Amino acid sequence: SQQGEEDPQALSIQEGENATMNCSYKTSINNLQWYRQNSGRGLVHLILIRSNEREKHSGRLRVTLDTSKKSSSLLITASRAADTASYFCATESKGTGFQKLVFGTGTRLLVSP
Amino acid sequence: ETGVTQTPRHLVMGMTNKKSLKCEQHLGHNAMYWYKQSAKKPLELMFVYSLEERVENNSVPSRFSPECPNSSHLFLHLHTLQPEDSALYLCASSQDSNQPQHFGDGTRLSIL
Repeated sequence: SQQGEEDPQALSIQEGENATMNCSYKTSINNLQWYRQNSGRGLVHLILIRSNEREKHSGRLRVTLDTSKKSSSLLITASRAADTASYFCATESKGTGFQKLVFGTGTRLLVSP
Repeated sequence: ETGVTQTPRHLVMGMTNKKSLKCEQHLGHNAMYWYKQSAKKPLELMFVYSLEERVENNSVPSRFSPECPNSSHLFLHLHTLQPEDSALYLCASSQDSNQPQHFGDGTRLSIL
């Protein structure tokens, strides 16, 4: 089974609205990362939150991490049409000795003008 | 510009062909990765190289053969592929653990 699973699978909103995506995972982690992917392109790193952190901000992005519930959320505020993309969470587990990320299936976000 | 360059961007090949995918990173990172991205499936880690040594081979069929001649370059040699191997192949690099990975734009591979 997957380590990271995003919810919802797809989200459609209007410009200016907020978008919230959730991620659940199963094992102990070093960190959880959020990535964005535009159609036909590679993944772009958004935010990395370590297991001892609870919240992180970057511009219009806010990420929370609840290690007791093994879940994370990504909030995009005041969304823009350019935010239309797929968003993935990825977890780096403890004890691997090298960086091994496990990705979820992603949330497809559509922001309409 | 992510600092990770993949070539070619698109590749169409027959099942009996041999081809190679190339990845180059200009970030001074010490680890490089190959991933496979298929429709409606999570990104699958294929291979990991740390300090030019393969440290992970995720049960990948032998028709995929990686090569890491130095810390900046990574290749994926392909031979006798199957139609189900059609996918987007992504290369990434990182520096140590607890750091983000930087991805190239991938090679879209189609097997006829």
